[in-house]
Amino acid sequence: EAQVTQNPRYLITVTGKKLTVTCSQNMNHEYMSWYRQDPGLGLRQIYYSMNVEVTDKGDVPEGYKVSRKEKRNFPLILESPSPNQTSLYFCASSFGVTGGHHTEAFFGQGTRLTVV
Amino acid sequence: QKEVEQNSGPLSVPEGAIASLNCTYSDRGSQSFFWYRQYSGKSPELIMSIYSNGDKEDGRFTAQLNKASQYVSLLIRDSQPSDSATYLCAVNTNYNNNDMRFGAGTRLTVKP
Repeated sequence: EAQVTQNPRYLITVTGKKLTVTCSQNMNHEYMSWYRQDPGLGLRQIYYSMNVEVTDKGDVPEGYKVSRKEKRNFPLILESPSPNQTSLYFCASSFGVTGGHHTEAFFGQGTRLTVV
Repeated sequence: QKEVEQNSGPLSVPEGAIASLNCTYSDRGSQSFFWYRQYSGKSPELIMSIYSNGDKEDGRFTAQLNKASQYVSLLIRDSQPSDSATYLCAVNTNYNNNDMRFGAGTRLTVKP
């Protein structure tokens, strides 16, 4: 089954304790992204990647790191989490650009992170 | 000014009615437009993509794009209670990157 898999689904952690949220896709997609979703603010892009070893900042990259060492994986790293990073996080992947247009994004199940 | 704006709602329509959802965007060079549906606590799922001016129909859903006016809309005909969800408008603003911007979403309730 074609899917984007995130882990963990739920995480409660303490301020300053490094954590990693994993994301893996099995569709051989070029593009991958991380979003956070907060009430009233919608989905905001944190980082995106257009290929292995190619990453770029989105709207809200502060406090986050990413890496793309393999095509299928795109982990999100919070080196020193703070309470304002409490949010619902989504990983997404897409084929990229075809026919001059971006293709649809497929989303993971989401990770609900609480930082206390 | 937000890059992608949606009427925040909530929008409530009776079962069988037409629901109309609107979205405007600020980057005139945007090329790719999407409507996603998100049920509470779930991940967004694609309803429709649209790339050219005009209408695109898929079952009960019709997307409309007007690049000159910088708006994209979604019409849901014969609305069903199962259509009750938050609808997200998304716009890819740059052909050369993966910078996708989302609106804040419109919550739709279809009442039986």
